[in-house]
Amino acid sequence: QKEVEQDPGPLSVPEGAIVSLNCTYSNSAFQYFMWYRQYSRKGPELLMYTYSSGNKEDGRFTAQVDKSSKYISLFIRDSQPSDSATYLCAMSAKNNNDMRFGAGTRLTVKP
Amino acid sequence: NAGVMQNPRHLVRRRGQEARLRCSPMKGHSHVYWYRQLPEEGLKFMVYLQKENIIDESGMPKERFSAEFPKEGPSILRIQQVVRGDSAAYFCASSQGAAYGYTFGSGTRLTVV
Repeated sequence: QKEVEQDPGPLSVPEGAIVSLNCTYSNSAFQYFMWYRQYSRKGPELLMYTYSSGNKEDGRFTAQVDKSSKYISLFIRDSQPSDSATYLCAMSAKNNNDMRFGAGTRLTVKP
Repeated sequence: NAGVMQNPRHLVRRRGQEARLRCSPMKGHSHVYWYRQLPEEGLKFMVYLQKENIIDESGMPKERFSAEFPKEGPSILRIQQVVRGDSAAYFCASSQGAAYGYTFGSGTRLTVV
């Protein structure tokens, strides 16, 4: 079993749809949870950052962490064509400086 | 702030040659990480360094790969005697620590012919 599992997609939605992206993990030591967005042939950029369980909202983006289920989600409201990218979940353990990434989900938002 | 700078952006090497990838972290960041990304795959951790120290190299192949982060200058990922399977995008990231998230460079795309 991989440490971090993420459905690679691809996922295609119409403009304005609500997008749900998910990851599961096996290491209960993970404390920091992040979502990165990666455009084609670019480096990943940090999108959302969450510590421990709970929700965090930033504009059209909401990140959720459920540590009891070892499950994290990213929701994108009112999706735009500019949201088309690969979204990678990432997580690290407290005092552990290497981060583990999911395989990434490729999202296409069609106008 | 120029962010994390990686060079070259593209590197072509023949089998058996050496590849040197450079990474200058963001100003104020003392932690450097190298990741490899293959097409349709996620980022695979290779090595984590601080100035003059390798902290974790558990993701590095045992042979042909080495990394350094000297007191002065950029971090270097070195691949000796490259093979076709080394063809990938290599990303460098820097941070103040994992709790702060990483800032990634634009990557070096290595092609071995």
